[in-house]
Amino acid sequence: RKEVEQDPGPFNVPEGATVAFNCTYSNSASQSFFWYRQDCRKEPKLLMSVYSSGNEDGRFTAQLNRASQYISLLIRDSKLSDSATYLCVVRSYNTDKLIFGTGTRLQVFP
Amino acid sequence: EAQVTQNPRYLITVTGKKLTVTCSQNMNHEYMSWYRQDPGLGLRQIYYSMNVEVTDKGDVPEGYKVSRKEKRNFPLILESPSPNQTSLYFCASSLSVSQASSYNSPLHFGNGTRLTVT
Repeated sequence: RKEVEQDPGPFNVPEGATVAFNCTYSNSASQSFFWYRQDCRKEPKLLMSVYSSGNEDGRFTAQLNRASQYISLLIRDSKLSDSATYLCVVRSYNTDKLIFGTGTRLQVFP
Repeated sequence: EAQVTQNPRYLITVTGKKLTVTCSQNMNHEYMSWYRQDPGLGLRQIYYSMNVEVTDKGDVPEGYKVSRKEKRNFPLILESPSPNQTSLYFCASSLSVSQASSYNSPLHFGNGTRLTVT
């Protein structure tokens, strides 16, 4: 089983839709969680960190469920410019390594 | 400007010809890492370093070497490149657990190096 798993998608949604991605992790010692956005063949860029109590940044909301070992990303009012691959990243307490999921591809259409 | 700088951006080489991809960061980060990205496989870690003179293998270290003689630089060395090392490579850095007051220190990425080995 992979340490960090994501549904690769693609998720095809119309502009204005709400879409949610989940990411599961297997290491219960995982301590830090992030969502990154990657445009085609460019470097990943930090979208947001994920805090235990959940956090929101504009149209984006991230949640952490430690009991079920998953994090989620909710995007409201999708824009064409949201089309990208969204990477889930987990940092392990015991190794300090950052582990990436393979990413979920989002395509927003007009 | 805080950044991670990789060079070169594009490189075409032949099998067996040693090459080095440089990576430098100006944020005093202790943690640095190299990834390769291939279609359908996502980002896979090659090597990482927790501090000067401390390096560890990632998930796909075969065929690669690294060194960390100073904090800011973390070069990736391919002693004898082969076609299966054709890939998109990213260097990244972050505060380490010992540097950050919490674990919420994200990775900062370089712009990537597209390597083709023929």
